[in-house]
Amino acid sequence: DQQVKQNSPSLSVQEGRISILNCDYTNSMFDYFLWYKKYPAEGPTFLISISSIKDKNEDGRFTVFLNKSAKHLSLHIVPSQPGDSAVYFCAARSTDKLIFGTGTRLQVFP
Amino acid sequence: KAGVTQTPRYLIKTRGQQVTLSCSPISGHRSVSWYQQTPGQGLQFLFEYFSETQRNKGNFPGRFSGRQFSNSRSEMNVSTLELGDSALYLCASSLTPNQETQYFGPGTRLLVL
Repeated sequence: DQQVKQNSPSLSVQEGRISILNCDYTNSMFDYFLWYKKYPAEGPTFLISISSIKDKNEDGRFTVFLNKSAKHLSLHIVPSQPGDSAVYFCAARSTDKLIFGTGTRLQVFP
Repeated sequence: KAGVTQTPRYLIKTRGQQVTLSCSPISGHRSVSWYQQTPGQGLQFLFEYFSETQRNKGNFPGRFSGRQFSNSRSEMNVSTLELGDSALYLCASSLTPNQETQYFGPGTRLLVL
């Protein structure tokens, strides 16, 4: 069973607009959530994280929101840039391991 | 500081063979985790090693095994390869277990024919 779900396999956004990537989870015991970005032929790189005791964390153009009651988190990228085009994975920490979603491919077009 | 390195980067094997993949963590990192990435499945956790001991294991058959050496380098082995083992195998390191941030290598792409 997939404990961390990214239901949108792809997203296309115009440069300068907001990109919103979503992630749902089922396990209320997750204590930490992370977003990773992956370019082709490279490993995932850490982007931003949030503790389960918070509901928002911001880092430059990237903001992650956590809604514990809905078991939902989202990543907002504002403004989107062509260099943001990549696959984005959300991950949740559970008993010393990370559980990843299946990824969302973001394409930012001019 | 050099990042996580994985060798080889690409590998082609046939069914029934076995394969060994290698991972060198970032200098000073002692925790190494392995993941399998396949289309539509995301990253599936294989196992984690710390101080030469396996701390966690994912839901993979016993054909998948690993080990860690005293210098923190890690290897994973897959025996009796199946077509479904074709995937990108990623290694990630962190200073210690329980750290929120793991640093990934570029992966080894394995193709089983």
